[in-house]
Amino acid sequence: DAKTTQPPSMDCAEGRAANLPCNHSTISGNEYVYWYRQIHSQGPQYIIHGLKNNETNEMASLIITEDRKSSTLILPHATLRDTAVYYCISAYMEYGNKLVFGAGTILRVKS
Amino acid sequence: GAVVSQHPSWVICKSGTSVKIECRSLDFQATTMFWYRQFPKQSLMLMATSNEGSKATYEQGVEKDKFLINHASLTLSTLTVTSAHPEDSSFYICSARSGRGDYGYTFGSGTRLTVV
Repeated sequence: DAKTTQPPSMDCAEGRAANLPCNHSTISGNEYVYWYRQIHSQGPQYIIHGLKNNETNEMASLIITEDRKSSTLILPHATLRDTAVYYCISAYMEYGNKLVFGAGTILRVKS
Repeated sequence: GAVVSQHPSWVICKSGTSVKIECRSLDFQATTMFWYRQFPKQSLMLMATSNEGSKATYEQGVEKDKFLINHASLTLSTLTVTSAHPEDSSFYICSARSGRGDYGYTFGSGTRLTVV
């Protein structure tokens, strides 16, 4: 079973920041937080991952609370192409470890 | 970056026939690959872990005799849906991790299977 909970859906205006929350209150000390997204009828796309510190890359920023029980994915300037299902997953980094997907959040970016 | 190629992207087959789906890691070796199934408007469900040179590990409730997995090389895993039935119609997705860099797991583009 998935160990994270996310809101089922969110709307965001084009050009504005999209903030997607994730709760992972039972996360273990060595588990990372991964974020993926899936655009309709495609395979999931890696976005970002982190352990304790906040992370940023060309796609997004990941803010992890100090107690690591929740995190927020931030898309700084959402576009219509960011409309997708976003999945937050907690998993160990070890090679071969499997990713278990929850229901995710449907993000709808609107013009 | 790491690339996983999945083929075919879609396939239609008749009930009772078998269908093979290929998953290749193009620029890295993967001793472990994963197979997922996704029904419409649902999340990805992990079916099995494919291990190079050994038997696959199936998740609870997944019929190993129906979904045959072969991982004969470090860059290729195949999923064969045997004696397919309409209820096997689904979106099948594979994934692998390169084991280098900070990248997460890379997913194939998926295979849409329709059994008629």
